Amino acid sequence: KQEVTQIPAALSVPEGENLVLNCSFTDSAIYNLQWFRQDPGKGLTSLLLIQSSQREQTSGRLNASLDKSSGRSTLYIAASQPGDSATYLCAVRRPYGGATNKLIFGTGTLLAVQP
Amino acid sequence: DGGITQSPKYLFRKEGQNVTLSCEQNLNHDAMYWYRQDPGQGLRLIYYSQIVNDFQKGDIAEGYSVSREKKESFPLTVTSAQKNPTAFYLCASSRPQTGGNEQFFGPGTRLTVL
Repeated sequence: KQEVTQIPAALSVPEGENLVLNCSFTDSAIYNLQWFRQDPGKGLTSLLLIQSSQREQTSGRLNASLDKSSGRSTLYIAASQPGDSATYLCAVRRPYGGATNKLIFGTGTLLAVQP
Repeated sequence: DGGITQSPKYLFRKEGQNVTLSCEQNLNHDAMYWYRQDPGQGLRLIYYSQIVNDFQKGDIAEGYSVSREKKESFPLTVTSAQKNPTAFYLCASSRPQTGGNEQFFGPGTRLTVL
């Protein structure tokens, strides 16, 4: 059974710092991995999608890496800003040809960027 | 603007009542999903639909029902059989499910049982 873990559960950093959020999964047979951002009481905003054949994806100050063999992904945020404060969720998708396009979610990392 | 809308934003239900949560998308997506989010837990899949007039149970379907009569709409009914319905409910959509396509989420509905 696929399990997704995100450590730490909460992180507080000063503005301007570069930071890394971690996501690990138990079954390396994934189709892709998606990182989301969730503001309090809001829906999820998709940040980056990494296919299983890719090593990393970049969007602005965000860089996500994927190491399938070790069951790990990281989300790197450069030059953090108070507006980056949110919960960050990672989710892995079961393999194509398997049951469905189901996403398995981690419990998230709550990030606070202090001005 | 293309996107996913959910209504209402907040919903209160008395014990024993059925309630229906609305989800509409104008992204022309074939697949739609319902998730439940509880504090300290990841999102869990309730139901999903790959195409109009078709839907499948997710991991926690008991006490819920759905319909998919139109491509744009995927309403979720929380029945009185759902023992612990208080949660945040999120609807999502994507292009065809089998392509492993990116899912886009609505703003959510917070359901509270009084």
